[in-house]
Amino acid sequence: NAGVMQNPRHLVRRRGQEARLRCSPMKGHSHVYWYRQLPEEGLKFMVYLQKENIIDESGMPKERFSAEFPKEGPSILRIQQVVRGDSAAYFCASSPGDGTYEQYFGPGTRLTVT
Amino acid sequence: DQQVKQNSPSLSVQEGRISILNCDYTNSMFDYFLWYKKYPAEGPTFLISISSIKDKNEDGRFTVFLNKSAKHLSLHIVPSQPGDSAVYFCAASAPKLTGGGNKLTFGTGTQLKVEL
Repeated sequence: NAGVMQNPRHLVRRRGQEARLRCSPMKGHSHVYWYRQLPEEGLKFMVYLQKENIIDESGMPKERFSAEFPKEGPSILRIQQVVRGDSAAYFCASSPGDGTYEQYFGPGTRLTVT
Repeated sequence: DQQVKQNSPSLSVQEGRISILNCDYTNSMFDYFLWYKKYPAEGPTFLISISSIKDKNEDGRFTVFLNKSAKHLSLHIVPSQPGDSAVYFCAASAPKLTGGGNKLTFGTGTQLKVEL
């Protein structure tokens, strides 16, 4: 049973470019979460999605960031016009959505903005 | 506003001894707590959790204790092994109606080093 998959594992973008991060949840999981970890900090919640719905985006920056979880395919976190401060590790997690609290994390995408 | 705090950035323990990692929280609405372990360049791995209706949960070498009145929880690892060397994160969740709803609030982590 494959775990949460994220790609790419490493992504380098120049300032002003777009970054697209993908996440495939564990088999049987219908809930997806995105977290960001800045250097020397803990993980910060960004957004919580179910298929075709954004449930909670209270942690998303108001501009340049968007997320989706389409009916088919992986969840996408999109960052437009990246800036150096976007450099971080972005983790996706999934849960079965059966009322359990435990979330299972992918390996992360390390975004570097040059 | 750091609602979940891990005040010890690092901890060093000898192999075979007990490791005790601590976590404090400020939000009284948190009703579920989790511990994750993280190796460098990997995602966090779920270890153990506890509901606020309990004060202890045990799973093999790992035990989590919750003191609601003190808003404090701790993770005990006995006996500690070199493979336990990692960063440990405490996380908490609040019910949806109180503004929680599945999102986890993490502490800043404690780097555990288990020495031979």
